[in-house]
Amino acid sequence: QKEVEQDPGPLSVPEGAIVSLNCTYSNSAFQYFMWYRQYSRKGPELLMYTYSSGNKEDGRFTAQVDKSSKYISLFIRDSQPSDSATYLCASNFGNEKLTFGTGTRLTIIP
Amino acid sequence: DVKVTQSSRYLVKRTGEKVFLECVQDMDHENMFWYRQDPGLGLRLIYFSYDVKMKEKGDIPEGYSVSREKKERFSLILESASTNQTSMYLCASNGWTGEQFFGPGTRLTVL
Repeated sequence: QKEVEQDPGPLSVPEGAIVSLNCTYSNSAFQYFMWYRQYSRKGPELLMYTYSSGNKEDGRFTAQVDKSSKYISLFIRDSQPSDSATYLCASNFGNEKLTFGTGTRLTIIP
Repeated sequence: DVKVTQSSRYLVKRTGEKVFLECVQDMDHENMFWYRQDPGLGLRLIYFSYDVKMKEKGDIPEGYSVSREKKERFSLILESASTNQTSMYLCASNGWTGEQFFGPGTRLTVL
């Protein structure tokens, strides 16, 4: 079993819809949770960074962590075609190597 | 803004060649990482370094080595390139906050 599991998709939604991206993890010691956006042939770009359980909002993006169920979510409101990318979740214990999900490919249809 | 740069965006090499991939970060980060990314396999950690001249093996170190002579620079070396090392190589760094920042990647093709 992988330490971080992510549905690879692909996921297609119409422009303006709310997108929900999810990951589960197995290591209860993980404390830090990140979401990255990766456009084709580019490096991953850090979108959201959260510590422990709770919600964090940044513009149209909300990251949610539920440590009791080991569930990580990213919500995108008012989705735009420019949000079309692969989204990667990642976790670690602190200031060291990350464990990544395999990524979900998202397409926003105009 | 954190800046992580990689020496090449695209590289084509022949089997058996020695390949150097260079990474530089400008934020005085302690930790640096090399990953490879392949379809269906996601990001896999090759090597990482916590300090100058320090290195730790990641999940798939076979066929690779690294060098960190200066804090800002972390090099990945393929001693004798093979076709199964054709991949996207990504360098990353993080500081004390743990947020990890990536470079643009090097797409390496080994013929």
